Amino acid sequence: EDKVVQSPLSLVVHEGDTVTLNCSYEVTNFRSLLWYKQEKKAPTFLFMLTSSGIEKKSGRLSSILDKKELFSILNITATQTGDSAIYLCAVNYGGSQGNLIFGKGTKLSVKP
Amino acid sequence: DGGITQSPKYLFRKEGQNVTLSCEQNLNHDAMYWYRQDPGQGLRLIYYSQIVNDFQKGDIAEGYSVSREKKESFPLTVTSAQKNPTAFYLCASRAGPASYEQYFGPGTRLTVT
Repeated sequence: EDKVVQSPLSLVVHEGDTVTLNCSYEVTNFRSLLWYKQEKKAPTFLFMLTSSGIEKKSGRLSSILDKKELFSILNITATQTGDSAIYLCAVNYGGSQGNLIFGKGTKLSVKP
Repeated sequence: DGGITQSPKYLFRKEGQNVTLSCEQNLNHDAMYWYRQDPGQGLRLIYYSQIVNDFQKGDIAEGYSVSREKKESFPLTVTSAQKNPTAFYLCASRAGPASYEQYFGPGTRLTVT
């Protein structure tokens, strides 16, 4: 059965800390892995990763994929209270239908 | 402004009533999706549509129905057969076969009592 597992499920840190969120997957015909940030409503797209070992970076956020070990990490450095959100990992699998399978998310709380 | 709109933002219904959630996009995207989100459960796929007048069941389609009569619109009906309809419903769209990113609407929170 295809699955995406995120860890930890919840995390509380203080401003300025660095955090690492994990996403492992077992899917047939892997195509890409996507990270989303969900604050109160719509998940917003962060990164899409298709190749192993190539880091994607946007400001204080970065992510990398390991297709051999079947996982990805999302790093956030110098966290701010505005980083508080649920971070969702999703994997695109199968044919050209573009369907995603989501993990349960990691709820990050950043305290001042 | 291009984007995905969902309405209403909040919806309250009595048990036994069907209810339809609206999803409209002006991104000219081919594919559209409906997800359900429950606390601690992540997003689960209800239905999806790759082209107009065609749609497929997702992982949890029982008790739901959809239509895709226009490219811009993909309404979801939550029927009385859905045993636990209270949830947050998200609609998403994707540009086409070469694109993997899905873009989400703001969601509708449905409460059935």
